[in-house]
Amino acid sequence: SSELTQDPAVSVALGQTVRITCQGDSLRSYYASWYQQKPGQAPVLVIYGKNNRPSGIPDRFSGSSSGNTASLTITGAQAEDEADYYCNSRDSSGNHLYVFGTGTKVTVL
Amino acid sequence: EVQLVESGGGLVQPGGSLRLSCAASGFTFSSYWMSWVRQAPGKGLEWVANIKQDGSEKYYVDSVKGRFTISRDNAKNSLYLQMNSLRAEDTAVYYCARVTTVTYGGHFDYWGQGTLVTVSS
Repeated sequence: SSELTQDPAVSVALGQTVRITCQGDSLRSYYASWYQQKPGQAPVLVIYGKNNRPSGIPDRFSGSSSGNTASLTITGAQAEDEADYYCNSRDSSGNHLYVFGTGTKVTVL
Repeated sequence: EVQLVESGGGLVQPGGSLRLSCAASGFTFSSYWMSWVRQAPGKGLEWVANIKQDGSEKYYVDSVKGRFTISRDNAKNSLYLQMNSLRAEDTAVYYCARVTTVTYGGHFDYWGQGTLVTVSS
């Protein structure tokens, strides 16, 4: 089965830019989606497809992809962006299996 | 407004069974793949199972194959997860999620609030 690897933690100064990466072979075939999860809450979709944001997600969130790596960028991080972030994609088998990344804790300083 | 509401979680002994339910509203349930995703205490998200719109295709993570069964009732707008032979490592919050599939992938665009399953003697 596929695996998606993320850095465990990153920090960013208030108002600055942070990039979170996700690596895995399945990303050569499928787009990643990204989820924000705050303590005690359900995950929330923030980026999907090539670089799409659901309604209500601020435009400071953006996504990109190259080869086996997908990235989520927060441009002008706000205090409320402090959360865990998970990437996700279809499994490289081609079936409708999915895999989540290991997660990145973002701290806004 | 899309809503997903899970129920059925609780404390169960190792080797026991539990059936989770997810009541969907605010969208045409029969038009979407649906999934269960779980999160063990203090751990990351783990995709558990998927079911196609008409229930004709089902997929599972290896760790639950042969023990868990995903099903749906489109007439009742409901998703289910029958969990048998439960183990301590199945302890987690279980989320119901709607899946939107596209040519080059898919994503979970709506999530329930989760229901906690604790497997312990």
